[in-house]
Amino acid sequence: GENVEQHPSTLSVQEGDSAVIKCTYSDSASNYFPWYKQELGKRPQLIIDIRSNVGEKKDQRIAVTLNKTAKHFSLHITETQPEDSAVYFCAARKSSGDKLTFGTGTRLAVRP
Amino acid sequence: NAGVMQNPRHLVRRRGQEARLRCSPMKGHSHVYWYRQLPEEGLKFMVYLQKENIIDESGMPKERFSAEFPKEGPSILRIQQVVRGDSAAYFCASSPLAGVDTQYFGPGTRLTVL
Repeated sequence: GENVEQHPSTLSVQEGDSAVIKCTYSDSASNYFPWYKQELGKRPQLIIDIRSNVGEKKDQRIAVTLNKTAKHFSLHITETQPEDSAVYFCAARKSSGDKLTFGTGTRLAVRP
Repeated sequence: NAGVMQNPRHLVRRRGQEARLRCSPMKGHSHVYWYRQLPEEGLKFMVYLQKENIIDESGMPKERFSAEFPKEGPSILRIQQVVRGDSAAYFCASSPLAGVDTQYFGPGTRLTVL
């Protein structure tokens, strides 16, 4: 089955700096890669996703890049703000309707 | 358009009791997924259902756990004879009929087994 590894497990940045979280996946058939943000005690919320026919996608301060050859994808947050502090999860999926396999999460702390 | 709804939000059970967790998908969504999140860990897939069908239950323990998504009403995840190790947050997610990848998560049910 699919295996998703995520690094780092914790990340602390100064407000205004950038944060990068990296994930690798094992199954080359995976073609959909979402990122979720989870605040303490809350539901995971989709913040951005990318499909395998695209190499990069950007939404304001958030961007995701995908390298299909190397089987890794990354989340980039620029100009971080304290409200970006949360746990971020990457995930991978093979086809529409299939299950998501999640990474182990990155706890991001943005220092004011 | 209401989001994915789950109830109860918090559930306390004693060892050996049964837990029933309910999930109402977003309107128009016929795919339901259940995930379990242990404290300080990521989400693990349990089961994927469509109306009246279990599509993939590869992540669900073979014993004590069952799931259903009837033609009418919410999807239900049932845990019989709960043990302390079942304490976790259980999230369901839903997605539309076909052609859309996004899974939308509910607020979760936090199960505590005493």
